[in-house]
This record gives sequence, structure tokens and C-alpha cells, in this order.
Amino acid sequence: SAVISQKPSRDICQRGTSLTIQCQVDSQVTMMFWYRQQPGQSLTLIATANQGSEATYESGFVIDKFPISRPNLTFSTLTVSNMSPEDSSIYLCSVVTDRGALGDTEAFFGQGTRLTVV
Amino acid sequence: GESVGLHLPTLSVQEGDNSIINCAYSNSASDYFIWYKQESGKGPQFIIDIRSNMDKRQGQRVTVLLNKTVKHLSLQIAATQPGDSAVYFCAENKGNAGNMLTFGGGTRLMVKP
Repeated sequence: SAVISQKPSRDICQRGTSLTIQCQVDSQVTMMFWYRQQPGQSLTLIATANQGSEATYESGFVIDKFPISRPNLTFSTLTVSNMSPEDSSIYLCSVVTDRGALGDTEAFFGQGTRLTVV
Repeated sequence: GESVGLHLPTLSVQEGDNSIINCAYSNSASDYFIWYKQESGKGPQFIIDIRSNMDKRQGQRVTVLLNKTVKHLSLQIAATQPGDSAVYFCAENKGNAGNMLTFGGGTRLMVKP
């Protein structure tokens, strides 16, 4: 299993500013994922963060808007840049661990960061 | 890609009844499926999973059914309890997409006492 600490848990930010969300895992993991969950909706993958390489962004998400750092195998940050009210959402980090012989993986999520942009 | 901007459907059940939550997935190449429960203010939590070479798997009070022919997944909760009230998401792992999960739209389960 993996325990993920994500902070801040919530924030209210002014438009045009940036917020950096931190994700700390209690074990070393190769891949970390950042998701966005807009109000009343499902989770949408923003990007995959691998240690030692640039993050891979999904369609509709760009590095200039959501820069990601992955300095080591237990930590990652997501920055929401030049925020607008449309960025108000819950942002979650996730890690995936191998579960053994079947090769299945299990995903663990942080508590999420509830961002409100005013 | 972006999710469609739909609000979550709601399933309302009486305490003690069985609940069935449905999910359609998109990629016939997906070989691993997971159900998550998300309570208010928390991240999603793993409930149960199933591989594509199975059509049914049981856990404690929960059963997942997989119909590959119509790309449909369901979660059955027996004797639903107030603590089961949450949003439930299915997720699929698309085989060669590494460990990336793609989430379905989610269903809000409300349990009436």
C-alpha cells in the first residue's frame, strides 16, 4: 500500500496567481499521476510524472499551464498557473503500486486539494 | 481528454436493500477494471477489481460483474448501509497504456435510513 500526503487541502486564490500543490508518498514509486475533478464530475488525468524525465500531458493540458516537478521517487508538485475561475476544481495526486504475481496494479489517491479561484 | 460536463447521476436506495451501480467502458483493449468509492472531501478509495479474463468477482458485500461483449461493468452492494453513501467510479486500465487509469463518469449513491 501507499500513503499519500497532499497539501494544501484547500485554498482560495486570486485570479492571475499561481498555486503549487505538493504530493508526498511514503514509499518510492516510479509513476505519479495528477488528476483534476471538476464539481460533480469524474476524474480527468492531467499528466503522468516520472522521476528523471518530463511529465507526459494528456490532451487539453499543457506544461505552461500545469508545470509539474518530480525531483525524486517520493515527491511531486503540480502548479496551476495564471489561474482563472475555470480552474476551480479538486486536484488529486495518485500513485500506482504493483500488487504481485498477477501484475495487477492498485492506485492510491491523496485527499485532494480543493481550489477555488475568485 | 476532457470529461463531458455532465453532473453525476444519483441512485437512491433504502438501507438494507441491494444496490447496483453500472458503468460502460470504451476500450475493448482494456484488461483490468477497478471500482472506487469517493466519500465527500476524500480521494477515491479502492473497492474491488476484476481482470478481463473473469466475468465475476466477489468481495465483502460487493460483487463486480464484467460483460465484455457489451463493454459493461457493474458493482453490486449487498445490504446497503448508510456508510455506503458516496460517489462510485469505475476505472479501466488500457493494457499497453502503462499504469494509467481512465475513469468513468461516476454515480452518487444515497442510502435512505
